[in-house]
Amino acid sequence: DIQMTQSPSSLSASVGDRVTITCRASQSISSYLNWYQLKPGKAPQLLIYAASSLQNGVPSRFSGSGSGTDFTLTINALQPEDFATYYCQQSRRSPYNFGQGTKLEIK
Amino acid sequence: QVQLQESGPGLARPSETLSLICSVSGFSIRSGYYWAWIRQPPGKGLEWIGSTYHSGDTYYNPSLRGRVTLSVDTSKNQFSLKLDSVTAADTAVYYCARRAFSGYDHYYFDSWGQGTLVAVSS
Repeated sequence: DIQMTQSPSSLSASVGDRVTITCRASQSISSYLNWYQLKPGKAPQLLIYAASSLQNGVPSRFSGSGSGTDFTLTINALQPEDFATYYCQQSRRSPYNFGQGTKLEIK
Repeated sequence: QVQLQESGPGLARPSETLSLICSVSGFSIRSGYYWAWIRQPPGKGLEWIGSTYHSGDTYYNPSLRGRVTLSVDTSKNQFSLKLDSVTAADTAVYYCARRAFSGYDHYYFDSWGQGTLVAVSS
């Protein structure tokens, strides 16, 4: 199985900050990497697919980069609605494992 | 716009079968997409359970060791999850989702339900 490791596991930031979350795969997954946002009681939202493609309707302050084993999700100019938990997920090979999540909290 | 909604009992007894249904609206379940179940135990991360196609093609996470069955009911535009021999470790929020795709076989879950909590307890 391909294991996904995110860092940090939690992060405190302020509105207007720029934050970066990293995700590392245990083996190369090319660009088969997706990012999701989860909020309690709401349907999870796809943010980024194929490592760097922005899903329709997602604000442009979200961006993704990386290839192989190392990936990043960057959020520019944090907005109040961005405080949530973020997960990466590999789609290179079944089982399609997720990272353990990064909780983004208000400082 | 596609919408998904999970339904089913919020409580399952140990050793029994957990059963959930995902109702899809705004999109035909026969329209060339796979449909998936994903779960999140309390305080833990997400786990992909399996994915199914309207033709019956289905594949599962090996970690569930043959306990899981997915199926599709095209007449009701629904798909379902059955998880046998449940234990407390199966307590989780269960999500259904649509698996979309782009070029070069990039797959991703682009639409999700809000999730339903199932507790396993006697």
